[in-house]
Amino acid sequence: TQLLEQSPQFLSIQEGENLTVYCNSSSVFSSLQWYRQEPGEGPVLLVTVVTGGEVKKLKRLTFQFGDARKDSSLHITAAQPGDTGLYLCAGAKPGRRALTFGSGTRLQVQP
Amino acid sequence: DAGVIQSPRHEVTEMGQEVTLRCKPISGHNSLFWYRQTMMRGLELLIYFNNNVPIDDSGMPEDRFSAKMPNASFSTLKIQPSEPRDSAVYFCASSMQPWTGGAQPQHFGDGTRLSIL
Repeated sequence: TQLLEQSPQFLSIQEGENLTVYCNSSSVFSSLQWYRQEPGEGPVLLVTVVTGGEVKKLKRLTFQFGDARKDSSLHITAAQPGDTGLYLCAGAKPGRRALTFGSGTRLQVQP
Repeated sequence: DAGVIQSPRHEVTEMGQEVTLRCKPISGHNSLFWYRQTMMRGLELLIYFNNNVPIDDSGMPEDRFSAKMPNASFSTLKIQPSEPRDSAVYFCASSMQPWTGGAQPQHFGDGTRLSIL
């Protein structure tokens, strides 16, 4: 059983559409990080959210941390082919230095 | 600045052979993590080191797997003997962890794609 469940697992959309990816858990996290991974490469950090209810924006990407710090979402506005990749959420449990990674959402944006 | 460097990028070997994966973390980082990624199980933490000391190896599958970090700039993950089910992409990541506070962002290498025939 995954500690962090992501949905959807796969998403194929057309350029210009909006989408939301969810990261859910029954556990509380002290912080949550989002990574994007492209084929043949390692994951690359996009953002870290720390405070319950926090919203961070990175150009067309909006990240939100749930009020109870158990879930998070990533919203992409006007998706572009360059957004294609595997999106991973990763939670840090209080007092632990290791991250727990979610199951991943594989996004494909068609031109 | 150099990122995390892993070698080899690809390894194909026969079942029963010893496999050694290598990692050079980012200079100045004090924590190093080894992960395994497969389609079925996603990204799994195998072991992590803090200041060259193994802290949590509960993710290491079995005794065939071992990891060492002899100094701050080098780590190895060894599989002996290797089995087909060990085929996966193995990632190394490093971070700068303060004494207090939660997990910090990790910087990943590009991985080693391992195929055991």
